[in-house]
This record gives sequence, C-alpha cells and structure tokens, in this order.
Amino acid sequence: DVKVTQSSRYLVKRTGEKVFLECVQDMDHENMFWYRQDPGLGLRLIYFSYDVKMKEKGDIPEGYSVSREKKERFSLILESASTNQTSMYLCASSSPQRNSNQPQHFGDGTRLSIL
Amino acid sequence: QKEVEQDPGPLSVPEGAIVSLNCTYSNSAFQYFMWYRQYSRKGPELLMYTYSSGNKEDGRFTAQVDKSSKYISLFIRDSQPSDSATYLCAGNSGGYQKVTFGTGTKLQVIP
Repeated sequence: DVKVTQSSRYLVKRTGEKVFLECVQDMDHENMFWYRQDPGLGLRLIYFSYDVKMKEKGDIPEGYSVSREKKERFSLILESASTNQTSMYLCASSSPQRNSNQPQHFGDGTRLSIL
Repeated sequence: QKEVEQDPGPLSVPEGAIVSLNCTYSNSAFQYFMWYRQYSRKGPELLMYTYSSGNKEDGRFTAQVDKSSKYISLFIRDSQPSDSATYLCAGNSGGYQKVTFGTGTKLQVIP
C-alpha cells in the first residue's frame, strides 16, 4: 500500500512566522503535490513536482514555496504566514505515466491554524 | 462554472440502502475519473479509478462514467454506517495534466 506521511496532524502558528509542512512518501513516486482544502472550495492545487529539484506552480501558489531535495520528500513553505492561510493542507503522490494516468494517493493532512 | 460539480449534501440514508452519488463535469478532454472517500479529519482515500466510459465494480461499489453526458456516478450497495464520509469525484485528461476535484458530497448512513 502507498504510504504518504505528513509530519504534523495539527499545527498552530502566529501571523508572520515562516512555516514548514513536510511530506514523505514510501512508494518511489516521481510526482508529488500540495493542496489546500477549504469548505465549499474543495481541493486546490498549490504546487507540484515531477522530479527532484523540480517544481511547478498550481492554481494558488501565492504566499507559498516548495522544496524537493530528495525524491521521497516534498516540503511546503509559508514564507510569512497569514490568517487566510488557515486551512487543511494535503500532500499527495503518484507515479508518472507519460501517456496515461496514475491516481494520486493522499496523506492524512495537516490542519494548520494561523493566529 | 466549476469544472467538476457535486451536490454537497448531506445525503442521509438508512443502513442497507443503495446510495447513488453523482458528479457532472465540463471538460470534454477528461478521460480518467476517480472517486475518493474522505473520513472526518483524514485525507482522501482512493476508492475507484476508471478510464473512459463504462462501469467498474469493486465489491459493494460501482463507478459509472457516461462521457456523452459528462456524468459520473458512484453506487454503493448495502450501505453501512462505516460508509458515512465525504465522497469526492475527480477527473483529468491523462499524462501530466492536473486532476480536478469536486467539492464532495457528505453521506450519512443511519443504523
């Protein structure tokens, strides 16, 4: 079974802090993704990565950055946390198929509160 | 208009009922369709994964895709209280294209 592990289930930070969310997958997947999930808005893609040291912006990258130094690890960084970044953050991974598709597998999420 | 639309519910059914969950989508390039189940305070868990039109069955779950009407469904037979969760549908056009998710339908199965 695919295992995607997010380092924290719950996190409380203060406005202006730099926040790091960590995600590790154990299936040797090339693709990794960060989403945020908000009521009524569903899952929105923040950033994704198709390879080590590679990153692509998703739909809502503003205020976030990412780091992928190792294949199994994908970090999401809130450069200067703001209250509107209070949300559930979900990491996912999938294996690449250039001409087809493999589904994404998710971690259990980090519920982040910015005070 | 959202690319993938779902009724948010909640949908309440008695235990043992057949449940029908539905989504519509607007992107005619979608070829791959997924259903995820998400329990409260947990991440989405992949339930069903289908390609193009047709049916796929897995135990009590059947996923159905009608590309001509851009309609996808998930049927749950003999529903159980443990099926109470939010169900997310999703689609994409394959390759490296991003996955688009619906906002989810909350299902409650009453014992």
